[in-house]
Amino acid sequence: QLQLQESGPGLVKPSETLSLTCAVSGDSIGSSSHYWTWIRQPPGRGPEWIGNIYYSGSTYYNPSLKSRVTISVDTSKNHFSLRLTSVTAADTAVYYCVTQAVTTKRLDFWGQGILVSVSS
Amino acid sequence: QIVVTQEPSLTVSPGGTVTLTCASSAGAVTISNLPSWFQQRPGQAPRTLIYSTTNKQSWTPARFSGSLLGDKAALTLSNVQPEDETEYYCLLYYGGAWFFGPGTKLTVL
Repeated sequence: QLQLQESGPGLVKPSETLSLTCAVSGDSIGSSSHYWTWIRQPPGRGPEWIGNIYYSGSTYYNPSLKSRVTISVDTSKNHFSLRLTSVTAADTAVYYCVTQAVTTKRLDFWGQGILVSVSS
Repeated sequence: QIVVTQEPSLTVSPGGTVTLTCASSAGAVTISNLPSWFQQRPGQAPRTLIYSTTNKQSWTPARFSGSLLGDKAALTLSNVQPEDETEYYCLLYYGGAWFFGPGTKLTVL
């Protein structure tokens, strides 16, 4: 059973960079079966797809966040990461790492989520 | 930027049938947009009910079904149960990026 676990700081200051890591167990980050995906959900609002990365390194980002987002993979540590620059209070959200099946495009496995607050 | 819309809230009686819809600012929703539907309970991550318009997850109750209805994607709940009262989100695909709707709060009353 594939499992995902987010980690990172729960508090980031405005204008700084948010950095999160998703540890993958139960499968290899080099698997061609999944897109490794980040989704966030602001308090009381719907989810927002941030972007994903394929094992080959190909990335897709939400157009509204593209200028600030980088998703990367570390095969040696079997994890993938999210960087979001120049954060504001609007970036306060629960951040989820998620797998998306390449064949069906189904969102399959979710991490438990991590709340990141942007505040001085 | 694609904007996805859903009914903010719907109310249904136990045992009744209700249809939730998902529309797009880009025009008619088609199977190429790979509509997905998610159920989310408070404090939990969303979980997939329906993917690629009509396909169910192994845990999706038979009373849930997905379809296209006119120019929208639709999620129909038949024989609604009290435990179906929660939030539902749709997700659409456009050219490499995915867009969630704002959600429908379903009340069973």
